[in-house]
Amino acid sequence: NAGVTQTPKFQVLKTGQSMTLQCAQDMNHNSMYWYRQDPGMGLRLIYYSASEGTTDKGEVPNGYNVSRLNKREFSLRLESAAPSQTSVYFCASSGDVRFSGYTFGSGTRLTVV
Amino acid sequence: AQSVTQLGSHVSVSEGALVLLRCNYSSSVPPYLFWYVQYPNQGLQLLLKYTTGATLVKGINGFEAEFKKSETSFHLTKPSAHMSDAAEYFCAVSDRNSGYSTLTFGKGTMLLVSP
Repeated sequence: NAGVTQTPKFQVLKTGQSMTLQCAQDMNHNSMYWYRQDPGMGLRLIYYSASEGTTDKGEVPNGYNVSRLNKREFSLRLESAAPSQTSVYFCASSGDVRFSGYTFGSGTRLTVV
Repeated sequence: AQSVTQLGSHVSVSEGALVLLRCNYSSSVPPYLFWYVQYPNQGLQLLLKYTTGATLVKGINGFEAEFKKSETSFHLTKPSAHMSDAAEYFCAVSDRNSGYSTLTFGKGTMLLVSP
């Protein structure tokens, strides 16, 4: 009963390095999301995928790219990491947002030095 | 324009006291409303939700919230705080602005419980 699985849990990058955050869900949900959480800012939407084959920008998409690999997997890529991208990243999935909200992963804590 | 506002970034209560965490939304059409809790170094967990029907919603761990359309509010309450309730709480909305396809979160309220 895994739900939403994110890897890695922790990562330290140097400025300019690239990395991909992985997310997989086993609940057969159509929609998947990436948020970042910063102190005092709440959660801000980076990108989302309402269904397999579609992706849309959220509130803070600059510096990120996403890939909806299949129905289960939704990855987030930082092409050239910047210190401003130091944050905790959460992946979530949903069947119907209106009636069930999201199921969240446990997060990835990313530090860019 | 912010869809959801949480009043108070920190709320302190004594163990056994009433917990009241405030949330107001700005949508002209009543949205779908949620409260999530986040314990330290963990993901967010759904506490309760309002979709349609009864305006008083009961959730896990003794929490409840009341949807008040006239006040555009969805405040979270618990009659008696436990030490284990210390966490950060987020109000979230799914509304027409997002096509009901995403959740917009408030900035969160940290609940501190003292013995």
